Amino acid sequence: GQQVMQIPQYQHVQEGEDFTTYCNSSTTLSNIQWYKQRPGGHPVFLIQLVKSGEVKKQKRLTFQFGEAKKNSSLHITATQTTDVGTYFCAPANQAGTALIFGKGTTLSVSS
Amino acid sequence: DGGITQSPKYLFRKEGQNVTLSCEQNLNHDAMYWYRQDPGQGLRLIYYSQIVNDFQKGDIAEGYSVSREKKESFPLTVTSAQKNPTAFYLCASSIEAGENQPQHFGDGTRLSIL
Repeated sequence: GQQVMQIPQYQHVQEGEDFTTYCNSSTTLSNIQWYKQRPGGHPVFLIQLVKSGEVKKQKRLTFQFGEAKKNSSLHITATQTTDVGTYFCAPANQAGTALIFGKGTTLSVSS
Repeated sequence: DGGITQSPKYLFRKEGQNVTLSCEQNLNHDAMYWYRQDPGQGLRLIYYSQIVNDFQKGDIAEGYSVSREKKESFPLTVTSAQKNPTAFYLCASSIEAGENQPQHFGDGTRLSIL
């Protein structure tokens, strides 16, 4: 079935360092959503990207959709301990009726 | 407050027993979803429902069943046919089914085998 690959699976950074997670698909995506799940919590919607080459920012978070719409990235500038959690990309399935979640990138931050 | 309520928070199942996980939403959303999450894994779709009295299988529907008799409710039954049911189960909803709709999640139910 349709799958997306997220890398890295785990990332540890020192507070203040930058962090990037990548989401790759072998097929062209119509759109992609990003979610954050804090330890012990549930996923929370962050953003949706639809257009080729789209870049959206939320404070220290920058989301990008590739020109070919086959990959996406989330970049966090100057990480803080509040950024700890697992970040999932989730494109729509081919029918457009549900989301396909990647395995996520788990970020840990030490102060 | 509007939201999604999952109950119970923790559930234990005996061998050969069926158990039902509850999911209720007061967001007036048409679409509802059930996911299974295992440690170090993403969310895998079990079943989803686009509208009342309708539901479709997701990627890992075997050993599970659902019903959607009311817009607000989408219970999931883990049957004895599911041989490895220990996992974290998440229910979600969206305004409507479709690729442009953000999903809102409940707090989840952790199911374990006794």
